[in-house]
Amino acid sequence: AQRVTQPEKLLSVFKGAPVELKCNYSYSGSPELFWYVQYSRQRLQLLLRHISRESIKGFTADLNKGETSFHLKKPFAQEEDSAMYYCALEAGNMLTFGGGTRLMVKP
Amino acid sequence: NAGVTQTPKFQVLKTGQSMTLQCAQDMNHNSMYWYRQDPGMGLRLIYYSASEGTTDKGEVPNGYNVSRLNKREFSLRLESAAPSQTSVYFCASSESGSGTGDSFGPGTRLTVT
Repeated sequence: AQRVTQPEKLLSVFKGAPVELKCNYSYSGSPELFWYVQYSRQRLQLLLRHISRESIKGFTADLNKGETSFHLKKPFAQEEDSAMYYCALEAGNMLTFGGGTRLMVKP
Repeated sequence: NAGVTQTPKFQVLKTGQSMTLQCAQDMNHNSMYWYRQDPGMGLRLIYYSASEGTTDKGEVPNGYNVSRLNKREFSLRLESAAPSQTSVYFCASSESGSGTGDSFGPGTRLTVT
């Protein structure tokens, strides 16, 4: 069975500092991975997916199959990035989510 | 477009009571999903419906039933609520059925006392 692990429950950084939210996965097949974000009092929304190799709101994520990781990075954090971030893996018709990391960006 | 809508937004039940959470989407998506969100555990899939007329169990289906009433609506029923079902419930829909769940509802906060 697939599993997604986000080792940090809380990550606190200062504005302008680099951010890396960690995500590790275990899955026997070829993974499709996603990052979702949930801002305060808002619904969950898709941030990016690895197959599109895009940068959204300055965030990027690279799939590293050797390390089974899909870390989310941003070179300069902004206060508006403060939110809950979830890494998710798709297998079959289902998404498996990690436990989430709360990112706090301090002024 | 309203996207994915859920009712109610909040609910308090006593142990043993039953209730149905409603979900509707207006994006003509084929697939719909119910998740529960608990602190530190992320979102866990309860049930999903890959297309109208089909439903399948997810990771945590015990204590729940679902109905895909039509393409737009997917309801979640708790027949006999338990305190362990206290959670935030999210409905989601996806066009491709690939499990991306790329449109989520606002959530229903359920407390079972």
